[in-house]
Amino acid sequence: EAQVTQNPRYLITVTGKKLTVTCSQNMNHEYMSWYRQDPGLGLRQIYYSMNVEVTDKGDVPEGYKVSRKEKRNFPLILESPSPNQTSLYFCASSLKSGGLIANTGELFFGEGSRLTVL
Amino acid sequence: QQQVKQSPQSLIVQKGGISIINCAYENTAFDYFPWYQQFPGKGPALLIAIRPDVSEKKEGRFTISFNKSAKQFSLHIMDSQPGDSATYFCAASERGSTLGRLYFGRGTQLTVWP
Repeated sequence: EAQVTQNPRYLITVTGKKLTVTCSQNMNHEYMSWYRQDPGLGLRQIYYSMNVEVTDKGDVPEGYKVSRKEKRNFPLILESPSPNQTSLYFCASSLKSGGLIANTGELFFGEGSRLTVL
Repeated sequence: QQQVKQSPQSLIVQKGGISIINCAYENTAFDYFPWYQQFPGKGPALLIAIRPDVSEKKEGRFTISFNKSAKQFSLHIMDSQPGDSATYFCAASERGSTLGRLYFGRGTQLTVWP
């Protein structure tokens, strides 16, 4: 089954304790991205990756790191989490061909990771 | 700066009624406009999308209307059903861009009463 898998789905942690949210896709997608969803603010892009070893900042990258060592994996790292990073996080992937988003432009989302930082 | 502005933030419609959600943008380089639907506890999923070479696209009860000159597009849900209750996001991107950015509106929470 084609899917984007995020782990953990739920996490409560404390300020300053490093954590990693993993994301894996089995669709051989080149493009992957992280979003955070907050009430009234919608989906805001944190980081994205056009391919292995190619990453770039989105709209709200502060306090986050990413890496793309393998095509299927795109982990989100919070080196020193703070309460303002309490949010619902989504990983997404998309097929990219010829340097452009594929014809459908469809983003496939994971089911989300709800993070609470105390 | 918000690239795509969406309204209303919430919408309550009676079963069988028409739900209308509106979005506006400023960047004239945008040329791809999808709508995503999100059910509670799930990730968003592509519902329907339009390119600016057409003014309307219909898929079942869902229709996108696009007004290029006004830089606005809207989602119409005909004969709204309780199962349509979800959060809807409009979005826009430059498909000719290699930057891979898809800009989302802030979302509309739709509730359809039986």
